[in-house]
Amino acid sequence: AQTVTQSQPEMSVQEAETVTLSCTYDTSESDYYLFWYKQPPSRQMILVIRQEAYKQQNATENRFSVNFQKAAKSFSLKISDSQLGDAAMYFCAYRSAKAGGTSYGKLTFGQGTILTVHP
Amino acid sequence: EPEVTQTPSHQVTQMGQEVILRCVPISNHLYFYWYRQILGQKVEFLVSFYNNEISEKSEIFDDQFSVERPDGSNFTLKIRSTKLEDSAMYFCASSEASGSYGYTFGSGTRLTVV
Repeated sequence: AQTVTQSQPEMSVQEAETVTLSCTYDTSESDYYLFWYKQPPSRQMILVIRQEAYKQQNATENRFSVNFQKAAKSFSLKISDSQLGDAAMYFCAYRSAKAGGTSYGKLTFGQGTILTVHP
Repeated sequence: EPEVTQTPSHQVTQMGQEVILRCVPISNHLYFYWYRQILGQKVEFLVSFYNNEISEKSEIFDDQFSVERPDGSNFTLKIRSTKLEDSAMYFCASSEASGSYGYTFGSGTRLTVV
């Protein structure tokens, strides 16, 4: 079974600075998808960024980018120019790409990292 | 932007009572999911639903849980006889493909069992 680990329960950053959230995962599969979700105090889960494992290029969405290291099974999220609205719980998640696999279609989440942004 | 709608936002129920949590997925989505988040803990998969049947379920999703798509727009999660440990945030999600492009989550229903 796949597992996702976020080793930083809490992180903080000054407004306008850059912060990196860590995520590692364990899988025997070669094809999969990785996601970062943001959960603000409203509790809604919002997709931040997505990475396909077969793509070597790191995904980027505006101020959000990832550092995907497939061999190391690492998938960190970098937030540049942090804003107060970035304060939230961030979850890393894994999804198998294997049709008929035991976890096909299901997201496996890490424990989450609470990000605080200081003005 | 299309949304997944969940009702109610908060439900309080007595232990042993049945509850139905409701979700309206995005209209052109074909895959539907329920996840659970106990306060302060990680989000856990409960069940996925496609083509009017369960495609996968977790060990949490035991006989007291059931899902249904009664009318082509709603997607419901029923907990037959609630326990204190069922208190959690329940999230509905949907995806147009099988989630490879990510899922759209609803705002959740906070279930409190007393």
